Amino acid sequence: DVKVTQSSRYLVKRTGEKVFLECVQDMDHENMFWYRQDPGLGLRLIYFSYDVKMKEKGDIPEGYSVSREKKERFSLILESASTNQTSMYLCASSSNRGSQETQYFGPGTRLLVL
Amino acid sequence: AQSVSQHNHHVILSEAASLELGCNYSYGGTVNLFWYVQYPGQHLQLLLKYFSGDPLVKGIKGFEAEFIKSKFSFNLRKPSVQWSDTAEYFCAVMNTGFQKLVFGTGTRLLVSP
Repeated sequence: DVKVTQSSRYLVKRTGEKVFLECVQDMDHENMFWYRQDPGLGLRLIYFSYDVKMKEKGDIPEGYSVSREKKERFSLILESASTNQTSMYLCASSSNRGSQETQYFGPGTRLLVL
Repeated sequence: AQSVSQHNHHVILSEAASLELGCNYSYGGTVNLFWYVQYPGQHLQLLLKYFSGDPLVKGIKGFEAEFIKSKFSFNLRKPSVQWSDTAEYFCAVMNTGFQKLVFGTGTRLLVSP
């Protein structure tokens, strides 16, 4: 089974703090993704990565950055957290092998910025 | 840009009722289609997917979905829902050859016992 883990289930941070969200997958997947999930808005893509040290902006990258130094790990960084970044953050991974482009999701990190 | 519409934001059904959740997408090219489910307190899980072939796709837990290309639709169905189907359901579309998934806004289903 594919396993995607996220470093924290819940986080509380203050405005202006630097926040790191970590994601690890154990299936040697090439692709990794960060989404945020908000009620009534569904999932929106923040950043994704096709390979180590590669990153691409998603639909809402403003206020975020990412890092992928190892294949299994993809980090989301909030340089200076703001209250409008309070949300559920979901990490996902997928493989390029064959045509099985299914994305597998982690449990999510619920971030509250005060 | 691709967009996905889920017309029902909240659905309330009694057990044993039939379910159909609508999903429409905008881009007319070749697409891969997915339904994901998120049970209360759990992570997002794949319910079913369509890549090619038979447009009627069967998934887990008795769910199925039908791809109708002419209508840009991929509606989710279940003939008889159970209380345990209470969850949020997301339709998602991927343009073939790209890895980006575009999600709908989700439908919250509440099944009363």
